[in-house]
Amino acid sequence: KQEVTQIPAALSVPEGENLVLNCSFTDSAIYNLQWFRQDPGKGLTSLLLIQSSQREQTSGRLNASLDKSSGRSTLYIAASQPGDSATYLCAVRGLTGGGNKLTFGTGTQLKVEL
Amino acid sequence: GAVVSQHPSWVICKSGTSVKIECRSLDFQATTMFWYRQFPKQSLMLMATSNEGSKATYEQGVEKDKFLINHASLTLSTLTVTSAHPEDSSFYICSALPGLAGGFYEQYFGPGTRLTVT
Repeated sequence: KQEVTQIPAALSVPEGENLVLNCSFTDSAIYNLQWFRQDPGKGLTSLLLIQSSQREQTSGRLNASLDKSSGRSTLYIAASQPGDSATYLCAVRGLTGGGNKLTFGTGTQLKVEL
Repeated sequence: GAVVSQHPSWVICKSGTSVKIECRSLDFQATTMFWYRQFPKQSLMLMATSNEGSKATYEQGVEKDKFLINHASLTLSTLTVTSAHPEDSSFYICSALPGLAGGFYEQYFGPGTRLTVT
């Protein structure tokens, strides 16, 4: 059974700092990995999707990397802003044992302070 | 980008009543839809997977007679919480998966529905 863990569970940084969020998964047989953002009381916003054959994806100040063999992904946020404050979730889509299901991580709650 | 809507965005109901939540894919056809629930400060937990025109597949521990799912068309799925109780109060999020396009899966999420059972 796939298990997805995110470290740290919570993070508070001053504005302007670069930061890294970590995601690890136990079963490397994945189709892809997605990073999401969730604001309090809201749904999920997809940030980046990395196919299993890819090593990284970039969108603006965000860069996500994937090391499938070691079961790790990182989300790098450059020059953080207060508007980046949210919970960040990673999720993996497995190749086996359920087909299309996404398995979500536990989330990292980020607070960027002025 | 692909848009998924949910209605209502929030609902308060009395214990023992039933509540229906709608999930629509607005600009694409969803061969598969998913329903999740999320408790405060916790991650999303998959409740069930539904494919258009067939019965939903429920995750272990989810009562299929309590959480009725209907996926009658390629753009609409509904979740009905029957005989709701306070412990059913939660944030329910639906998600839709477009049909295969070159084998590329990206799942799109609705804005969620906050259910409070009094």
